[in-house]
Amino acid sequence: QQKVQQSPESLIVPEGGMASLNCTSSDRNVDYFWWYRQHSGKSPKMLMSIFSNGEKEEGRFTVHLNKASLHTSLHIRDSQPSDSALYLCAASTNSAGNKLTFGIGTRVLVRP
Amino acid sequence: EAGVTQSPRYAVLQEGQAVSFWCDPISGHDTLYWYQQPRDQGPQLLVYFRDEAVIDNSQLPSDRFSAVRPKGTNSTLKIQSAKQGDTATYLCASSFGGRDTLYFGAGTRLSVL
Repeated sequence: QQKVQQSPESLIVPEGGMASLNCTSSDRNVDYFWWYRQHSGKSPKMLMSIFSNGEKEEGRFTVHLNKASLHTSLHIRDSQPSDSALYLCAASTNSAGNKLTFGIGTRVLVRP
Repeated sequence: EAGVTQSPRYAVLQEGQAVSFWCDPISGHDTLYWYQQPRDQGPQLLVYFRDEAVIDNSQLPSDRFSAVRPKGTNSTLKIQSAKQGDTATYLCASSFGGRDTLYFGAGTRLSVL
């Protein structure tokens, strides 16, 4: 079964600093990645998605994808205490349509 | 527009009891998912439907879990004879078409004592 590996498991970032999160799939058929954010006690909400090689930026969030290595990364610049949350990476394959497989997540704590 | 609605929000059971969870997806969304999220872990897909058809239930423990979506709208997930290992949050999500964003409900937090 497809596995999605995330690192690190947890991360402490000073307010205003940069957070960098990693995600890799072990399934060569994966062609689409999502990043979801889940605040404590809340449901996951989609942050960004990417399926093309390269980089995509939305505000303080940047996502990179290397399709050859099936590796994606999420970078949060100027981190704010409200960014403290569990960040979930998810992947899907073309054959599985919209079936998302999630990693265990990276817990980010932004310290004021 | 209303989001994904789930009920109940919480459930506490003794081992061996049964429980049902209910989900009302976003209007017009044809695909509905049930995920199980143990504490401090990522969501794990149990089953998903497109309209009323089950597309994938390979991760659903079929001896005790069942899920239906009879009219392609609301869905019910049922656990017969709950075990302590079923303790988790059960998330329902919906989307429209292929490769669309999943929208999650608030979840049902289940504790099995």
